[in-house]
Amino acid sequence: DIQMTQSPASLSASLEEIVTITCQASQDIGNYLSWYQQKPGKSPQLLIHSATSLADGVPSRFSGSRSGTQYSLKINRLQVEDTGIYYCLQHYSAPPTFGGGTKLELK
Amino acid sequence: EVQILETGGGLVKPGGSLRLSCATSGFNFNDYFMNWVRQAPGKGLEWVAQIRNKNYNYATYYAESLEGRVTISRDDSKSSVYLQVSSLRAEDTAIYYCTRRSYFDYWGQGVMVTVSS
Repeated sequence: DIQMTQSPASLSASLEEIVTITCQASQDIGNYLSWYQQKPGKSPQLLIHSATSLADGVPSRFSGSRSGTQYSLKINRLQVEDTGIYYCLQHYSAPPTFGGGTKLELK
Repeated sequence: EVQILETGGGLVKPGGSLRLSCATSGFNFNDYFMNWVRQAPGKGLEWVAQIRNKNYNYATYYAESLEGRVTISRDDSKSSVYLQVSSLRAEDTAIYYCTRRSYFDYWGQGVMVTVSS
């Protein structure tokens, strides 16, 4: 199975700060990488698919990038509503595998 | 508007079985792969199963940790997907989500399955 190593596990940042979360794939997964945000008691919501494509309705302060087998989610100008847990997912090959999650809090 | 609604969760004794249902609307269900993903209390996300569409002969795939105990199926006429889970164990306690597409673009609200005596 492809392992997705997500970092950091937790993060505390200030309003308007730039935040970056990364996922390292254990092998090449091309652009088959998605990012999700999950708020307490809610189901995850898609933010980014195909490594860099913003999902419908997602604010433009969210962006995704790729460098080899390392993928990043960047949040420009952090807002209060951006707190939650973020997950990456690879769906290049079965089984699809998630990163361990990053809990993002406001400082 | 895409809508996904899971039902069928509840409290089940160890060794028991459960059938989860996922009703969808707002898109052409026949065109899409569908999945089940679960999340144990306070834990991360775990993919459980996928069923592909008719073009892919309704191929099914399962997480190794559950293989032999789960069956995913779909009824295109009802825009619904199902998950049958048997020989339930305490570690199967989780919220089970129904998701669309290979990259899970839409999720239902989830249904809680609790395995306890």
